[in-house]
Amino acid sequence: KAGVTQTPRYLIKTRGQQVTLSCSPISGHRSVSWYQQTPGQGLQFLFEYFSETQRNKGNFPGRFSGRQFSNSRSEMNVSTLELGDSALYLCASSPGQGPYYGYTFGSGTRLTVV
Amino acid sequence: ILNVEQSPQSLHVQEGDSTNFTCSFPSSNFYALHWYRWETAKSPEALFVMTLNGDEKKKGRISATLNTKEGYSYLYIKGSQPEDSATYLCASLSGSARQLTFGSGTQLTVLP
Repeated sequence: KAGVTQTPRYLIKTRGQQVTLSCSPISGHRSVSWYQQTPGQGLQFLFEYFSETQRNKGNFPGRFSGRQFSNSRSEMNVSTLELGDSALYLCASSPGQGPYYGYTFGSGTRLTVV
Repeated sequence: ILNVEQSPQSLHVQEGDSTNFTCSFPSSNFYALHWYRWETAKSPEALFVMTLNGDEKKKGRISATLNTKEGYSYLYIKGSQPEDSATYLCASLSGSARQLTFGSGTQLTVLP
C-alpha cells in the first residue's frame, strides 16, 4: 500500500517567487491536512481539506492557499515568498474528517527561500 | 492550559531504562489526543489515538494514558532501546482549537 507522497522533496526559491507543493494521500483517504515546521517550532497547522472542501484554515497570511482535487490529491501554493517561509511542509492524510483517525504523514517538502 | 505543552523538551536515558513524558492540553471541549513518533529523516508515525477519559493504549513496549478531566496524557516506554530514539509528539483537539494542535515534542535519546 503506497504511503503519502509529497513532491518535490526539496525546493530552492527566490524571495518574491511563488511555489506549488503537491500531496497524494493514501488511496481511499479523503482528508488531507498541511503543516509547516520551522526550526524551534512545533507543527503549525495550515489547512485541512475533505472532499475537495477546505474545512479549516490556520493562522497564516493569504499568501498561503491550497486546494483538493476529486481524487483527493492536494496542492498548496505560497505566493510572494519571504525568507521566513523557509520550512519543512508536511501533509498528512486520514480516512475521514475529524480527529478520531490517526494521520499518515508524507516525507515532507523542504523549502528554502533565498 | 491554553495550548498543547510537552515536557521535558529533551531526555537522555540509558538503554534498558524505562521513561515517561507528559503532554498537557486544554481540558475543555475535548475530542481527541494523538501521539506520534518522529525519527530523524523519516515521517511522523502515528502511535495512538485516544478519545475517552481513562483510556490506556499499548503498542509493544510503549503505552499511553489519558486524563481528559485534568488535561494530560503520559507516554511510557519500558526498557528503552536505541531504536526508540526519536521525537515524540502529542496533538489534541480541545479547548478553543478547531483543528488538531501539536506540541513541540519531547526529543528522546537512548544511549547504548
